[in-house]
Amino acid sequence: KNEVEQSPQNLTAQEGEFITINCSYSVGISALHWLQQHPGGGIVSLFMLSSGKKKHGRLIATINIQEKHSSLHITASHPRDSAVYICALIQGAQKLVFGQGTRLTINP
Amino acid sequence: EPEVTQTPSHQVTQMGQEVILRCVPISNHLYFYWYRQILGQKVEFLVSFYNNEISEKSEIFDDQFSVERPDGSNFTLKIRSTKLEDSAMYFCASSDQGPTDTQYFGPGTRLTVL
Repeated sequence: KNEVEQSPQNLTAQEGEFITINCSYSVGISALHWLQQHPGGGIVSLFMLSSGKKKHGRLIATINIQEKHSSLHITASHPRDSAVYICALIQGAQKLVFGQGTRLTINP
Repeated sequence: EPEVTQTPSHQVTQMGQEVILRCVPISNHLYFYWYRQILGQKVEFLVSFYNNEISEKSEIFDDQFSVERPDGSNFTLKIRSTKLEDSAMYFCASSDQGPTDTQYFGPGTRLTVL
């Protein structure tokens, strides 16, 4: 069983829709990262969360440590949001364990 | 804005050859990482490096791999004798305060082993 499960694996939506990507994990963690991987391959860190909720522009990330679950939300989605979104757990002292990613496509 | 750089962008090598992938982390960062992504698969942690030594490594990071910070700016990943299955994109990342801080990723080096 994977330590990190993301759902859905693929998501296609129309511009303007509210997007939710989920991340469930089975191990104890201190914190979790949400990352964005662009079609060209580059990776950008979006959020690091250890509790509660963070917001940056149209992106909102939440985490529930007790339920071992995190969500990434995108409001008013735009075609430029099309990318792979990756949840990564912080395990041990310095190790990141990555989810498979959710491929998001926003159509105009 | 400061950024992590990696060279080369693409490296082609023959099986059994040694390769060195280079990274220049953000200058005031103290924590350095290497990750790899085999085509079509998820990103995998290889190694983390702090205070001039490896702080954590994955089971992938066997004796064929080594990392070094040869001077104040470069951070290198060496693969001693490449195998076909080492073909992947290799990402370097750095952070200021460790794994609970934002990590800044380089653009990656695509390694192709023939």
